[in-house]
Amino acid sequence: GAGVSQSPRYKVAKRGQDVALRCDPISGHVSLFWYQQALGQGPEFLTYFQNEAQLDKSGLPSDRFFAERPEGSVSTLKIQRTQQEDSAVYLCASSLVGTPNEKLFFGSGTQLSVL
Amino acid sequence: EDQVTQSPEALRLQEGESSSLNCSYTVSGLRGLFWYRQDPGKGPEFLFTLYSAGEEKEKERLKATLTKKESFLHITAPKPEDSATYLCAVQELSQKLVFGQGTRLTINP
Repeated sequence: GAGVSQSPRYKVAKRGQDVALRCDPISGHVSLFWYQQALGQGPEFLTYFQNEAQLDKSGLPSDRFFAERPEGSVSTLKIQRTQQEDSAVYLCASSLVGTPNEKLFFGSGTQLSVL
Repeated sequence: EDQVTQSPEALRLQEGESSSLNCSYTVSGLRGLFWYRQDPGKGPEFLFTLYSAGEEKEKERLKATLTKKESFLHITAPKPEDSATYLCAVQELSQKLVFGQGTRLTINP
């Protein structure tokens, strides 16, 4: 596919469960971002990778959130011991080179519902 | 701390009725201001990047402008397919974008 692919599209978890969200960026894109979007709000930054290096994780809300991109392509966002406040759409985005002001290409997101 | 405020939160227009969306921002060193469009159930789609006050960019019925404190997205003679949420975001020194809450635009036929 030509775009950013995220899976699963929807995830329902019981409170306390661990979840893993996957992002396949556009092939060859160096930079990868994770954003969290609550209902009716704009996306909020979580973390940023350049290749396999996690350069900024200042937006991760707690140590229950963990992201990795071990081979510089696919990325996984893991949330441990999910809480109701984790319910949101998790968006992944990639960009070609990783220079400032470069436009981002977003996936359609994973909608997480924690019951 | 960077802040981005968009107004109005929601806007309903008749087809062909032109209007403007506002994005006010507070940032210590602006690297770029971005406009994205988001359709329901989809991720944001890039529209424009503006870099400095006085800059303008156009795409079909949309024109974005930038001053030192705000940006406007002007929509001329809109069509129903322009209905979406329009997001404004600023980039400071880091790579992250700080988004506003968006304006939900509905164009009635």
